[in-house]
Amino acid sequence: ELKVEQNPLFLSMQEGKNYTIYCNYSTTSDRLYWYRQDPGKSLESLFVLLSNGAVKQEGRLMASLDTKARLSTLHITAAVHDLSATYFCADSNTGNQFYFGTGTSLTVIP
Amino acid sequence: DVKVTQSSRYLVKRTGEKVFLECVQDMDHENMFWYRQDPGLGLRLIYFSYDVKMKEKGDIPEGYSVSREKKERFSLILESASTNQTSMYLCASSLYGASYGYTFGSGTRLTVV
Repeated sequence: ELKVEQNPLFLSMQEGKNYTIYCNYSTTSDRLYWYRQDPGKSLESLFVLLSNGAVKQEGRLMASLDTKARLSTLHITAAVHDLSATYFCADSNTGNQFYFGTGTSLTVIP
Repeated sequence: DVKVTQSSRYLVKRTGEKVFLECVQDMDHENMFWYRQDPGLGLRLIYFSYDVKMKEKGDIPEGYSVSREKKERFSLILESASTNQTSMYLCASSLYGASYGYTFGSGTRLTVV
């Protein structure tokens, strides 16, 4: 059974601190996706990682992919309040149908 | 930018009603999907479609059906709404191969009373 597991499920961090969200997946896929969801809103695409060793950065967020370990990470640097949201990773072994993790709810506190 | 438009942002329906949720995308995507999102359960796939008049069951199709008569439109139908179908419903679309991931609609929050 295809599984995508994220941890932690809930994360409360202080402004200015660094932290990493982990995403483990069970397929042999070489692609992994990260999404952000603000409360009451839909999902917004953050990163698309399409090969082993891929690294992408946008502002204070950096995502990486290790297909051998079937692991993707989303690293947060010097967190700010605007990053408070729920973050989802998603895997696709065919490129057509995605499987989502349960999400990590991030709260950045002053 | 690709747009995926869901016809209603909020809906309140009575138990037993037939409910239609509409989704339209404007970039000629082959693939379209319906998910529901519930606290603690993440996103669960209800149905998806790779082409006009084609449909495939997802993980939780019971109590739902879909229709795709035109490429740009994918409808989710609740044949007889029940309270356990109260949820956030998300539509998404993608190109075949999905190298760039999904584009999601803004969601429909359905309450069945």
